[in-house]
Amino acid sequence: SAVISQKPSRDICQRGTSLTIQCQVDSQVTMMFWYRQQPGQSLTLIATANQGSEATYESGFVIDKFPISRPNLTFSTLTVSNMSPEDSSIYLCSVHEMGSSYNEQFFGPGTRLTVL
Amino acid sequence: GESVGLHLPTLSVQEGDNSIINCAYSNSASDYFIWYKQESGKGPQFIIDIRSNMDKRQGQRVTVLLNKTVKHLSLQIAATQPGDSAVYFCAENLGDSWGKLQFGAGTQVVVTP
Repeated sequence: SAVISQKPSRDICQRGTSLTIQCQVDSQVTMMFWYRQQPGQSLTLIATANQGSEATYESGFVIDKFPISRPNLTFSTLTVSNMSPEDSSIYLCSVHEMGSSYNEQFFGPGTRLTVL
Repeated sequence: GESVGLHLPTLSVQEGDNSIINCAYSNSASDYFIWYKQESGKGPQFIIDIRSNMDKRQGQRVTVLLNKTVKHLSLQIAATQPGDSAVYFCAENLGDSWGKLQFGAGTQVVVTP
């Protein structure tokens, strides 16, 4: 199974600043995603990180606010831009793996962001 | 200040008993469902999945049941252990491609000795 690491694991940021979160996978994966988990709530898909092209955003999320890079099949970044306290959440990287006998989706440990 | 999150439904289970966690899903076209376990401070951990052409699937100490008629999913944990204490989420695949999941609200399972 894929092992996913994220940096930073947590951060406290000031309103109006931006934070870039890194996601590293220990194997090449085709499909990579970013999710958000607001305090005490469930997970919501932000976007699909596409290698070599622009990310595909879900309703309610836009590129100017959450720019995403995917330079290769093992790495992606999510930037939370011009942050406000409402952006305080856990941001999770996720990958999907499919083989001849399995089909699984894995999540990283998350980046816990607090915006003051 | 920090916003107050929703209070999750809580299931209290005595150690050794069986747990049943329920989930209603919204999209009748969903064809793939997953149960995740999330411990405090960690990302969701895959437990078990089921495709819409099945109504039951068993894993190690876990069973997932799918009732497509009423759009209901359940996770049964046999002989619940303290390590099973966590938040459990069901998720459905959004359908147009793998990996795009819609998560349920989550259930907090508390195992008491």
